[in-house]
Amino acid sequence: GAVVSQHPSRVICKSGTSVKIECRSLDFQATTMFWYRQFPKQSLMLMATSNEGSKATYEQGVEKDKFLINHASLTLSTLTVTSAHPEDSSFYICSARSGENEQFFGPGTRLTVL
Amino acid sequence: GQNIDQPTEMTATEGAIVQINCTYQTSGFNGLFWYQQHAGEAPTFLSYNVLDGLEEKGRFSSFLSRSKGYSYLLLKELQMKDSASYLCAVLDSNYQLIWGAGTKLIIKP
Repeated sequence: GAVVSQHPSRVICKSGTSVKIECRSLDFQATTMFWYRQFPKQSLMLMATSNEGSKATYEQGVEKDKFLINHASLTLSTLTVTSAHPEDSSFYICSARSGENEQFFGPGTRLTVL
Repeated sequence: GQNIDQPTEMTATEGAIVQINCTYQTSGFNGLFWYQQHAGEAPTFLSYNVLDGLEEKGRFSSFLSRSKGYSYLLLKELQMKDSASYLCAVLDSNYQLIWGAGTKLIIKP
């Protein structure tokens, strides 16, 4: 299957700082990328959908000014958590779709805000 | 509204067979996925069904009935490493994945 990478895999930061997470499709062009958040023992929660070259579509309740998404190319999307707080600590997972139905997931980024 | 239902938790014995059910009500249907997720890891793809019937892939099989809004994931010859959460997800008319809450499968020796 197709490979999606995320960087970093783990990040610990102080409250008030911003954290950028990269999501790359390594061997295919992703027309659409998705960002999910997963709290412990809960299911995936879709945060936003981004298409290359256009603004991301955010799910209800997700602050677009706090979670900045840039889908700069067909192989790269970034999520920036601005002014992170402890309640933003979570497992952030991206997925990419090539135009067919299947989504390929990245390995996830565990964010801990102190 | 859109809804995906699957049991919260199931327990099975090593070497046995287990069936995890999923029922769905969504706006449109463009396929149903099953993913496996081990604790602390991202989901990994198991199967995709868009037509009615059974798809077999090794120890895992997935069944779909579109008229009933129903699917199941069948795991045979269970191994301890199969202990994980199993997520059912439906691709709706907008090609967005609608996720179930997941079924935690516990395998006992």
